[in-house]
Amino acid sequence: QVQLVQSGSELKKPGASVKVSCKASGYTFISFGLTWVRQAPGQGLEWMGWINTNTGKPTYAKGFTGRFVFSLDTSVSTAYLQINSLKPEDTAVYYCVREMATINDLWGQGSLVTVSS
Amino acid sequence: EVVMTQSPATLSVSPGERVTLSCRASQSVTTNLAWYQQKPGQAPRLLMYGAFTRATGIPARFSGSGSGTEFTLTISRLQSEDFGIYFCLQYNNWWTFGQGTKVEI
Repeated sequence: QVQLVQSGSELKKPGASVKVSCKASGYTFISFGLTWVRQAPGQGLEWMGWINTNTGKPTYAKGFTGRFVFSLDTSVSTAYLQINSLKPEDTAVYYCVREMATINDLWGQGSLVTVSS
Repeated sequence: EVVMTQSPATLSVSPGERVTLSCRASQSVTTNLAWYQQKPGQAPRLLMYGAFTRATGIPARFSGSGSGTEFTLTISRLQSEDFGIYFCLQYNNWWTFGQGTKVEI
């Protein structure tokens, strides 16, 4: 079955780090790029950037440089989003998306990250 | 940065009605425009890409039109399962989402 399965909800304190995983199955992982999208509670969607799963090269959107890190482990067909120095405003659902806005568009179920003291 | 503006913010409609949602780009995005539907607690679902190409499994009552800076998503006869928030997305210059239109039944 072709799917992206993301890691579960996380509750973190301000200043901590979190690593969200996105595991692909049912297709060749390195054949499609992966995008990360953020959705704060009750808000719209923000494009965070994407990672080339063939080369590992990440591209970050404005506003997502510095504390946000995209990485891969191609041996287990998994992409990661790490957020460092967490702030309360990082509270959101984070989605990984394969080949967004194309015939191969496929979304993970989302991972809720809550940042609260 | 390309700014996407959707209107209206909220639409209250009845089943069977024809619905038209608008999306405007701050500069031309040619036809690199997609539409998504999102329901509470779910990931967005792709409805349309390339401005007017329906995604796999999307019913024919959904249609898209436009190019350049003005785009429209039309639902010919609204069904109860069509409630949700609709987002447009441009991918001509990186990616930018609109703020969404909530369709209430």
